[in-house]
Amino acid sequence: DAGVIQSPRHEVTEMGQEVTLRCKPISGHNSLFWYRQTMMRGLELLIYFNNNVPIDDSGMPEDRFSAKMPNASFSTLKIQPSEPRDSAVYFCASSFLSGGINEQFFGPGTRLTVL
Amino acid sequence: AQKITQTQPGMFVQEKEAVTLDCTYDTSDPSYGLFWYKQPSSGEMIFLIYQGSYDQQNATEGRYSLNFQKARKSANLVISASQLGDSAMYFCAMPRNSGNTPLVFGKGTRLSVIA
Repeated sequence: DAGVIQSPRHEVTEMGQEVTLRCKPISGHNSLFWYRQTMMRGLELLIYFNNNVPIDDSGMPEDRFSAKMPNASFSTLKIQPSEPRDSAVYFCASSFLSGGINEQFFGPGTRLTVL
Repeated sequence: AQKITQTQPGMFVQEKEAVTLDCTYDTSDPSYGLFWYKQPSSGEMIFLIYQGSYDQQNATEGRYSLNFQKARKSANLVISASQLGDSAMYFCAMPRNSGNTPLVFGKGTRLSVIA
């Protein structure tokens, strides 16, 4: 079975450019999470969806960040315009609540560098 | 709000020895779960083990086990017979709320296994 798929794996862009990160969750999972990992702040939630509906986007840093989940098998995280402080590893994770346990399966991450 | 504390930024262990990575947590929920993830240098997040607060026994998964002390609010990860491939960052985490909700992560412990 394919795990969570993220693309691209690495992205280098210049300040001011638009960046789109993509995620395909595990088939059958009904929750999707976008996390960001930096040295300073560790792993922090940006936004999550249940059944394709955004539930909590309070972790999205600014209006420059937006996320969509048009269907159960695809989500995007967009940064427009990008800034150097957005440089981080962005993880997508998906889960399905079973027996009270919501083990989250993580994608390989997208390493974003904004110059 | 849930809080995870990992007080060991870095740990060293001799190959084939056992090592304990500390994790304490704070929650007011009567029912909760605790997760441990491994992040090797390649960057992916790998689920290791889960402990439910009402589980009668400490969780075990191969060489991984949890020393779960509910009264002390600690869920320490024990790795037995360390291998060089165990060198990685280790994160303790718990769901923000019950159900399919985001994980709150500790800052992690970097484990280095020495030959």
